[in-house]
Amino acid sequence: AIQLTQSPSSLSASVGDRVTITCRASQGINSALAWYQQKPGKAPKLLIYHASNLESGVPSRLSGSGFGTDFTLTISSLQPEDFATYYCQQYYSFPRTFGPGTTVDIQ
Amino acid sequence: EVQLVESGGLLVQPGGSLRLSCAASGFTFSSYSMNWVRQAPGKGLEWISYISSTADSMNYADSVKGRFTISRDDAKNSVYLQMNSLRAEDTAVYYCAKGGVSDYWGQGTLVTVSS
Repeated sequence: AIQLTQSPSSLSASVGDRVTITCRASQGINSALAWYQQKPGKAPKLLIYHASNLESGVPSRLSGSGFGTDFTLTISSLQPEDFATYYCQQYYSFPRTFGPGTTVDIQ
Repeated sequence: EVQLVESGGLLVQPGGSLRLSCAASGFTFSSYSMNWVRQAPGKGLEWISYISSTADSMNYADSVKGRFTISRDDAKNSVYLQMNSLRAEDTAVYYCAKGGVSDYWGQGTLVTVSS
């Protein structure tokens, strides 16, 4: 199974900060990577698919990049609604796998 | 509007069985693959099962293989998860999610396995 690691596991930031989260795959997955946001007690929400494609309705301050094994999710200017946990997921092969998550909280 | 509504979550004893349902609306259900994903209390997301749009391909996480079975009924716009030989570690909120890239998720249903 393809393993995904995320770094950092958590971070504290302020409104307006630029935030970058990294996801690394144990083997190449081309661009078959998605990013999800989850808030407490809620279902995950798709943010980015195919590594860099922004899901409809997702603010443009979020962006994704990467190919192969190394991927990043960037929030250019953190807003109050962005405080949440972020997960990457690969859909290159079965079993699908998620990263362990990165929690972004208020500094 | 796309909606996914899970049901069937209960308190069940170890070794017991449960069938979860996910009712879909707002899209052409028969055209999409579906997934089940779970989240244990305070933990991260775990993908557990996939069924193709034509139901000719199913896949499972190792943690549930041989115990869980995914199925779908396009006439009822529903996907199911039959869970047998339940263990305490199966305690989680179970979500159904639409598509190969899960662009819509239900609100989840809680399964608790405990004596």
